[in-house]
Amino acid sequence: NAGVTQTPKFQVLKTGQSMTLQCAQDMNHNSMYWYRQDPGMGLRLIYYSASEGTTDKGEVPNGYNVSRLNKREFSLRLESAAPSQTSVYFCATSHGVAGRDTQYFGPGTRLTVL
Amino acid sequence: QKEVEQNSGPLSVPEGAIASLNCTYSDRGSQSFFWYRQYSGKSPELIMFIYSNGDKEDGRFTAQLNKASQYVSLLIRDSQPSDSATYLCAATLEYGNKLVFGAGTILRVKS
Repeated sequence: NAGVTQTPKFQVLKTGQSMTLQCAQDMNHNSMYWYRQDPGMGLRLIYYSASEGTTDKGEVPNGYNVSRLNKREFSLRLESAAPSQTSVYFCATSHGVAGRDTQYFGPGTRLTVL
Repeated sequence: QKEVEQNSGPLSVPEGAIASLNCTYSDRGSQSFFWYRQYSGKSPELIMFIYSNGDKEDGRFTAQLNKASQYVSLLIRDSQPSDSATYLCAATLEYGNKLVFGAGTILRVKS
């Protein structure tokens, strides 16, 4: 029972390159989230998926796209990476909506864009 | 204007003392509030949540909510060096589908 897994753990990109961050959960949770965490900024929501087949924008969606591939997997894509996207990215899941159910976080992906 | 505000700290307390962490929020529609702990280089983990005005206790932790003042706090009794971490306050927005996090308060417990 791995909980929430994220790949890769570390990544270095050059400006303009693209990549996809993967998140998978074996908790049978309905809702999944992508956050970024920057020093002094706390966690900021990028996108979320309240259930399989639905996605919605969060606070900072520009420059990102997401896919809820199935109930278990939620991927985050950077089409053309920029230095401003250097951050630590966390995937999280919850059984129901964020306001009533605990969010469980993955270990994070540390991304550097040069 | 940031919707959830926390003092960044660091807050330093001696071992065995009470640590008091505070948080204010701007959205009067927020209904649920969460405290997460995050060790350096690790992911956040939930400590407590609170929905109703008043106090909620869980072991050494007490969460306090005052909706009239839009104020949430976390008290840690008998602080231990292992409590040294960043504490994130979060509040719900938009009918509970999203959380907004504060920037976090760094707590240092000195032995």
